Amino acid sequence: VQLQESGPGLVKPSQTVSLTCAVSGAYVGGGDYYWSWIRQAPGKGLEWIGKIYYNGDTAYNPSLDGRVSMSLDTNTNQFSLKVYSVTAADTATFYCARSYSGSHNLGFWGHGTLVTVSS
Amino acid sequence: SYELTQPPSVSVSPGQTATITCSGYASPRPYSYWYQQRAGQPPSLVIYKDTERPSGIPERFSGSASGTTVTLTISGVLAEDEADYYCQSTDSTETYMIFGGGTKLTVL
Repeated sequence: VQLQESGPGLVKPSQTVSLTCAVSGAYVGGGDYYWSWIRQAPGKGLEWIGKIYYNGDTAYNPSLDGRVSMSLDTNTNQFSLKVYSVTAADTATFYCARSYSGSHNLGFWGHGTLVTVSS
Repeated sequence: SYELTQPPSVSVSPGQTATITCSGYASPRPYSYWYQQRAGQPPSLVIYKDTERPSGIPERFSGSASGTTVTLTISGVLAEDEADYYCQSTDSTETYMIFGGGTKLTVL
C-alpha cells in the first residue's frame, strides 16, 4: 500500500488549499477502509482533521469550525481535502492515512506534504 | 470532547525503561493507541487497543491502562527509539479522533 499526498506548497492567506492523497494497493471505494487527514504545524503535535468513508460519509474535527471538506474519487482512487479561508496558523505538514473499517487507529500513513500559508 | 495530556519530555539511558503516560480520558475510557514519530518521518502505530502490538513492532514496546491513564512502556531502550510519541483515542461516540500533545523521548 502506498499513500502519496500532493498539494500546492504555498498559498496566500484567505485562499482555499486543496490537497490530494493518491492511493495504490487499496481501493478507496471499498468498505474495508476509511481515510483520514491529519496535520502537524512545524515543531508541533498532531491534529486530526477528519475522515471519509467509502460511501462518502464524513466526520470533521469540530475545532476546525466548518473550514474543511473531504471528498473521494473512486475513478482515480484518490481522496481529497479542502481547507477554506486559510491563515498562517494553517501552515503545516498534511498527512493522509488509512484505517481499517471498525478500527479507530491510523494504521498506515503517507509521508506528508508541507503547506505554507504566506503572502 | 476532551484533551489528552502527555509529559512533554522523557529521558532515559540506553537499556533502561521509558514510561510515557497519557491522561485525561473520558469515562468510560475508549481504547488508546500509540504512535512513534522519528525525526522527519510520518508517525507509525506501535500499540493499538491499549495493549496490542502491530506486526513487526518489537516486544520491548508495551501498553497498559489503569483507570483514565494509559501508559506506553519501552523496555531496554535503544538509541533508535529516540522519537516523539503520541497517544490517540476517540470521543465517546467513536466519531472523532483525539491526539495527545506528544512526548519527546531522548536516549541519553
